[in-house]
Amino acid sequence: KQEVTQIPAALSVPEGENLVLNCSFTDSAIYNLQWFRQDPGKGLTSLLLIQSSQREQTSGRLNASLDKSSGRSTLYIAASQPGDSATYLCAVINYGGATNKLIFGTGTLLAVQP
Amino acid sequence: EPEVTQTPSHQVTQMGQEVILRCVPISNHLYFYWYRQILGQKVEFLVSFYNNEISEKSEIFDDQFSVERPDGSNFTLKIRSTKLEDSAMYFCASSPEGDYGYTFGSGTRLTVV
Repeated sequence: KQEVTQIPAALSVPEGENLVLNCSFTDSAIYNLQWFRQDPGKGLTSLLLIQSSQREQTSGRLNASLDKSSGRSTLYIAASQPGDSATYLCAVINYGGATNKLIFGTGTLLAVQP
Repeated sequence: EPEVTQTPSHQVTQMGQEVILRCVPISNHLYFYWYRQILGQKVEFLVSFYNNEISEKSEIFDDQFSVERPDGSNFTLKIRSTKLEDSAMYFCASSPEGDYGYTFGSGTRLTVV
């Protein structure tokens, strides 16, 4: 059974720092991995989608990498800003399932201090 | 940019009552989903829907839950007899193909009292 874990559970950094969020998954047979942002009491905003054949994706100050063989993904945020404060979730779609459901990690709560 | 729209944003209901949560997926998407998030816990898959039928459901999705796409645009989740433990944020999502990126709605916060 696929298990997705995110480390750290919470992170507080001063504005301007570069930071890395980690995601690990137990079953490497995935279709893709997606990073989401969740603001308190709000929905999920998709940040980056990495297909299983890809190694990384970039969008602005965000860069996500994927190492399927080791079951790991990282989300790199450059030059963090207070507006980046949110919970970051990673989620995978397993290969060969009955449907393409997302399996979510536990999330990392990020606070960027001004 | 196209959005997934959910209504209501917040619903309070008494235990044992029926509730219907509504969603309007992105118009050219083919796959529709419901997820839920109990406060402080992971986002969990409930059900997926394709070609007017359920394609997969989780063990959470028991007989008190049902989904429907009544008119080709709306996608609803019905909880027949709500329990206290059904209190959660319910998210609707859609995708153009099963293995491409999801778009989530902003959620309905259901509070059962």
